[in-house]
Amino acid sequence: DIEMSQSPPSLSASIGDRVTFTCRAGQFIRDSVSWYQQRPGKAPKILISSASKLESGVPSRFSGSGFGTDFTLTISALEPEDLATYFCQQGYLIPWTFGHGTKVEI
Amino acid sequence: QLHLQESGPGLVKPSETLSLTCTVSGDSINSENYYWAWIRQSPGKGLEWIGTIYHSGITTYNPSLNNRAAISVDSSKNYMSLRLDSVTAADTSLFYCASLRVGTTHVEVWGPGTVVTVS
Repeated sequence: DIEMSQSPPSLSASIGDRVTFTCRAGQFIRDSVSWYQQRPGKAPKILISSASKLESGVPSRFSGSGFGTDFTLTISALEPEDLATYFCQQGYLIPWTFGHGTKVEI
Repeated sequence: QLHLQESGPGLVKPSETLSLTCTVSGDSINSENYYWAWIRQSPGKGLEWIGTIYHSGITTYNPSLNNRAAISVDSSKNYMSLRLDSVTAADTSLFYCASLRVGTTHVEVWGPGTVVTVS
C-alpha cells in the first residue's frame, strides 16, 4: 500500500494567517492526490483534486501543488470556518490510501 | 444534486456479519457518470478505503479486509450495500458511502456516515 504521511499532525494559527500543510507519498504517484476538509462531526468534503484542481464551490483561498511524492495544501488567509482536519488521499494505486490528517486550530 | 444516506444496525456482535445500505437520491445508481465506494474511519486507522463498485458491476476491495467485504447494487431500490463478514472489535468504525465521478479517483460526494460498533 502507498503510505501517505502528513505533517504537521496539528497546528494552531490565527485568522488571516497563511497556512501550509504537506503530504508525502511513499512512492511516485504523479499528480494523483486529493485534499479533503473534515469539520468536526461532519463527513469529509473535497477541496482539491489532481494535486491542484480547485473543486467547484471551494473558496479560492485554498490551493494545492506538487507532483511525484511531495504535495502541499495552502490556505492563503485562514477563516474561522477553516477549523477542521485536512486529509490527503492518493488515487494512483489501489488500495487508495489516506493520510492521517492535519488538524487546524484557530 | 446527488445525495447519499447510509443506514444499518449500530451494533453488531463479534463474528457476525455487518450489513449496511446506502440510499442514493438525485441520480440513478446505474448512472454512467458515477461509481461508488465504501470508506470507513476509526480513531486507530483513520480513513480506510473499503471497496468500490463500478457501473459494469466490477468490484475492487482493500486487500487488508482479507476477502471479508462484498459490495452490491440494487437498481430497483437505487441503493448500494456493503456486507462485511466475521467482524471483530477492530471493525468498529464510522462507515461512509461515497460517489466518484467516472474517470476520477477522488470522492465527490460523501454520505453523512453511520457508526457501527462491534461488541
